[in-house]
Amino acid sequence: GAGVSQTPSNKVTEKGKYVELRCDPISGHTALYWYRQSLGQGPEFLIYFQGTGAADDSGLPNDRFFAVRPEGSVSTLKIQRTERGDSAVYLCASSDYNEQFFGPGTRLTVL
Amino acid sequence: KNEVEQSPQNLTAQEGEFITINCSYSVGISALHWLQQHPGGGIVSLFMLSSGKKKHGRLIATINIQEKHSSLHITASHPRDSAVYICAVIKAPPGGATNKLIFGTGTLLAVQP
Repeated sequence: GAGVSQTPSNKVTEKGKYVELRCDPISGHTALYWYRQSLGQGPEFLIYFQGTGAADDSGLPNDRFFAVRPEGSVSTLKIQRTERGDSAVYLCASSDYNEQFFGPGTRLTVL
Repeated sequence: KNEVEQSPQNLTAQEGEFITINCSYSVGISALHWLQQHPGGGIVSLFMLSSGKKKHGRLIATINIQEKHSSLHITASHPRDSAVYICAVIKAPPGGATNKLIFGTGTLLAVQP
């Protein structure tokens, strides 16, 4: 079946704008993770969903970041009032019980 | 100090060489992952370990839980092995109940023909 997909693959926006990043997990996976990877760094955890609920949002850097998963499948990461420091690759992963399967990521550039 | 450290950060090898990438961590874990990331590409899971050793083709991963150390070995390296190799751990409960990954900064491997 299909793997994890993320859209858009690239997003360029201006400082102060609002952006939404989408993740389509593998069908049937109840766990979904968002990570952020800055240039030259390893990914960092942002938020974890188990089903529809955010079970751990301790990695969200501030209240400009928010994520939802209303039906327990597709998730949207929302960033308000974007800043240049938000520029990074945003990775989504879904999981059954052990292995995490990663999407290709969305490269966000804030000018 | 990062909870997961990798060495070396950069590695250049000649085709055919035996390669070792090391990972040390400072927290109790329930599992350790080795991941591969090609430039501009997504992340692929290579191994998940909680003890001992695993082998897949030319790749071998080992872990020593007591020493909090893991190694990824590549035998008979090939230019197509060129990628970033990332070590990531899942903290043991109670800190790791979510199975979120804590990543090292990665090792950039270039295998020259």
